[in-house]
Amino acid sequence: DIQMTQSPSVLSASVGDRVTLSCKASQNINKNLDWYQQKLGEAPKLLIYFTNNLQTGIPSRFSGSGSGTDYTLTISSLQPEDVATYFCFQYNSGYTFGAGTKLELK
Amino acid sequence: QVQLQQSGAELVKPGSSVKISCKASGYTFTSYDMHWIKQQPGNGLEWIGWIYPGNGNTKYNQKFNGKATLTADKSSSTAYMQLSSLTSEDSAVYFCARPRGGYYWYFDFWGPGTMVTVSS
Repeated sequence: DIQMTQSPSVLSASVGDRVTLSCKASQNINKNLDWYQQKLGEAPKLLIYFTNNLQTGIPSRFSGSGSGTDYTLTISSLQPEDVATYFCFQYNSGYTFGAGTKLELK
Repeated sequence: QVQLQQSGAELVKPGSSVKISCKASGYTFTSYDMHWIKQQPGNGLEWIGWIYPGNGNTKYNQKFNGKATLTADKSSSTAYMQLSSLTSEDSAVYFCARPRGGYYWYFDFWGPGTMVTVSS
C-alpha cells in the first residue's frame, strides 16, 4: 500500500504569508494526486486535481506542484478564510489520504 | 445539480450493526462509482471502498474487509454501507463521495457525512 506523509502536521502563519504544505508518497504516484480542504464540521472540498490543476471556483492563490514522490500545495497570500485542514490524496495505486496539515492563523 | 444526501446520525451499541445511506440525485446513479470515507474525531480521512451501482461491483480497503459491506439500490439511486460488529473504533463520521469520470480523477461531490457513535 502507498503511504502518504504530510508535513507539517500543524502550521501557524500570518495573513498575507506565503504558505507551503508538503506531501510525500512512499513510491512514485505519477502525479495522481489531489488536494482537499476541510473546514470544521464540513465535508472536504477539492482544491487541486492531478497535482497542479486548480478546481473551478478556487482562488488563484492556491497552486500545486510536484512529481514522483514529492508534492506541494502553496497558498501565495494566506487569507483568514483559509484556516482549515488540508489533505493530499493519491489514486495512482489504491486510494490513500495523507494525515492532513492543520493551518492556523498566528 | 448533483446532490448526495446522507442518513442521520446513529447511536448504536457495541457488537451491533448499522446501515447508513447516501441518496444520489442530479446525475445517472448507475454510471459512477460511489466511494465511502471514514473520519474519526480529530483524525484524518480513511478510504473504505467503492461500489459501482451499474453492476454492483465493489472494492474494499483490506482494513475494512469484513467490517464494511457496500450495496446499492438502483431503483432509489441510493448507496448503502453496513458496518458490522461495531466497536468504539468505528465511532466516526462516514462520508459518501462521487468521483468525476473521465481523464482526471477526483471526488467532485461529497455527502455531508453521517456520524456513527458506538456506545453502550
